Amino acid sequence: DTEVTQTPKHLVMGMTNKKSLKCEQHMGHRAMYWYKQKAKKPPELMFVYSYEKLSINESVPSRFSPECPNSSLLNLHLHALQPEDSALYLCASSQPTVTGANVLTFGAGSRLTVL
Amino acid sequence: SQQGEEDPQALSIQEGENATMNCSYKTSINNLQWYRQNSGRGLVHLILIRSNEREKHSGRLRVTLDTSKKSSSLLITASRAADTASYFCATLKTSYDKVIFGPGTSLSVIP
Repeated sequence: DTEVTQTPKHLVMGMTNKKSLKCEQHMGHRAMYWYKQKAKKPPELMFVYSYEKLSINESVPSRFSPECPNSSLLNLHLHALQPEDSALYLCASSQPTVTGANVLTFGAGSRLTVL
Repeated sequence: SQQGEEDPQALSIQEGENATMNCSYKTSINNLQWYRQNSGRGLVHLILIRSNEREKHSGRLRVTLDTSKKSSSLLITASRAADTASYFCATLKTSYDKVIFGPGTSLSVIP
């Protein structure tokens, strides 16, 4: 299995809702990532988990809350979002190597619309 | 913050022509990678070049790296309509788990 699976593919939520994005991989990768991508822009790094521990938080607002329940799963909990948070949210995974190569495998993304 | 910058921002060519995209970056890197993204989809890794390498090939792709100029180029030869996509360079800093993407080049290949 060489895939990263993201659910849901599309999500519409109000500013007062609580929802979650889910990501799953079964490649044995020990690093998992959340990226946010606005239209016609590159992916922006949000969070990195290495060996199930949060290793990087790129100063993301607290209304985004990541969780890594185990080495195969990554969640992004959403609460009290703003319309400007509407974007494509991409999950990725990688297997860190001693040489420092770090090739990311991406999921297809979750398209989030905040009303 | 973005590590890489790319040009051109958009490129339109005829099928069969070659496409060249450039990427510049600001700080030292461990390696540089190129990814492709079809509209609204996830990114797909194309090729990785290490900081001690100058050129690398993979099928119709050729990547060069000039660490003295902090720049890289991606050449796609004999382009096809299916190559239409956005292409991003991505750099890896000294920390192995932080991959930062440049702004990307939008390539259109006209049949």
